[in-house]
Amino acid sequence: AQSVTQLGSHVSVSEGALVLLRCNYSSSVPPYLFWYVQYPNQGLQLLLKYTSAATLVKGINGFEAEFKKSETSFHLTKPSAHMSDAAEYFCAVKGDKLIFGTGTRLQVFP
Amino acid sequence: DTEVTQTPKHLVMGMTNKKSLKCEQHMGHRAMYWYKQKAKKPPELMFVYSYEKLSINESVPSRFSPECPNSSLLNLHLHALQPEDSALYLCASSQGAATNYGYTFGSGTRLTVV
Repeated sequence: AQSVTQLGSHVSVSEGALVLLRCNYSSSVPPYLFWYVQYPNQGLQLLLKYTSAATLVKGINGFEAEFKKSETSFHLTKPSAHMSDAAEYFCAVKGDKLIFGTGTRLQVFP
Repeated sequence: DTEVTQTPKHLVMGMTNKKSLKCEQHMGHRAMYWYKQKAKKPPELMFVYSYEKLSINESVPSRFSPECPNSSLLNLHLHALQPEDSALYLCASSQGAATNYGYTFGSGTRLTVV
């Protein structure tokens, strides 16, 4: 069965600092991987997706993620955090259904 | 139109009530989904509809009854719910149930069972 593991339920950064949210996957076949963001009392918004076309995937709001097969990782990064990035971030893997990781809450301090 | 619209946004119901949640999309997507999300937890899949037919039921209790009247509309009928069913119910859609399609989510219905 496919699964994703998000390391760190909470990440805190200062405004302007690098954001790194970790996601490792488990899959016996090439995975389809996604990052979603959820703002308070809202639904989920797709940030980016990996579908084997390119290992470095650029998404919305300045986020990007790199697929590393050797490390079974798909970490999400942003060079410079903004206060508006504070939210819950979910990594997800899709086989016959979309399965989410446990989420990472990003806090951004001024 | 690139949205999934869910109504109502908030719902409070008693354990003997019958209510329905509604989800609508006009993107031509042929797969639609219901997820349940408890506080501080990830969304959990409940049902998948593909081409208006139920394709996955994640062993959801029968007090939750999904319905897909047409390709744009998805309902979730609720009856005799328990307080532990209080949660955010999210609807999503995708172009198809195939593996590389991302999902578009609605803003959810916040359900409270009293």
